[in-house]
Amino acid sequence: QAVVTQEPSLTVSPGGTVTLTCGSSTGVVTSGHYPYWLQRKPGQAPRTLIYDVTNKHTWTPARFTGSLLGGKAALTLSDAQPEDEAEYYCLLYYSGPWVFGGGTKLTVL
Amino acid sequence: EVQLVESGGGLVQPGGSLRLSCSASEFTLSRLWMSWVRQAPGKGLEWVANIKEDGSEYSYVDSVKGRFIISRDNAKNSLFLQMNSLRVEDTAVYFCANVKSGIWGPGTLVTVS
Repeated sequence: QAVVTQEPSLTVSPGGTVTLTCGSSTGVVTSGHYPYWLQRKPGQAPRTLIYDVTNKHTWTPARFTGSLLGGKAALTLSDAQPEDEAEYYCLLYYSGPWVFGGGTKLTVL
Repeated sequence: EVQLVESGGGLVQPGGSLRLSCSASEFTLSRLWMSWVRQAPGKGLEWVANIKEDGSEYSYVDSVKGRFIISRDNAKNSLFLQMNSLRVEDTAVYFCANVKSGIWGPGTLVTVS
């Protein structure tokens, strides 16, 4: 099955902007992969932030934005807040199976 | 409150079996593709399996093919995961979810040892 790659870790300053990316071993990530972005904090169930590239849920803070960028899926966090410190996972669809990326540990410091 | 609750986790020896259940409250599970996702200790999230609304289509991650079976009983608003020939590496917290809608259960721990 395909391998989905994410940055293992990133650091952003409070109030700063950071972009997390999600690549595929099969090539360019497209809307046909229906990219998802999930947030995972210790002791909590995963929380779906973004679905189908850009769509947000009612609970998704406006400072999170999903996109396709340079052949990858991307999650941009603007005006980072301390509560955004978490692990972020992308999830891609491969015409049957789905594959998670390895996750990005985001530190707000 | 819309929620999912998993049950059936526990300690099992290698080669053994477990059946996980997931019950839905305050929404109709039959309208949704449903998934099982797991997270092993110290590891990332791993998609395990999913099943179409009517149960007619399903997919599995390669590592569980031939060992796990996903099913659903829409009349009981429930999702299941039959896990056979369990391995130590199947140890994880298992979540049921409709990822797109953002509905997740709290997870149930499966320990194979």
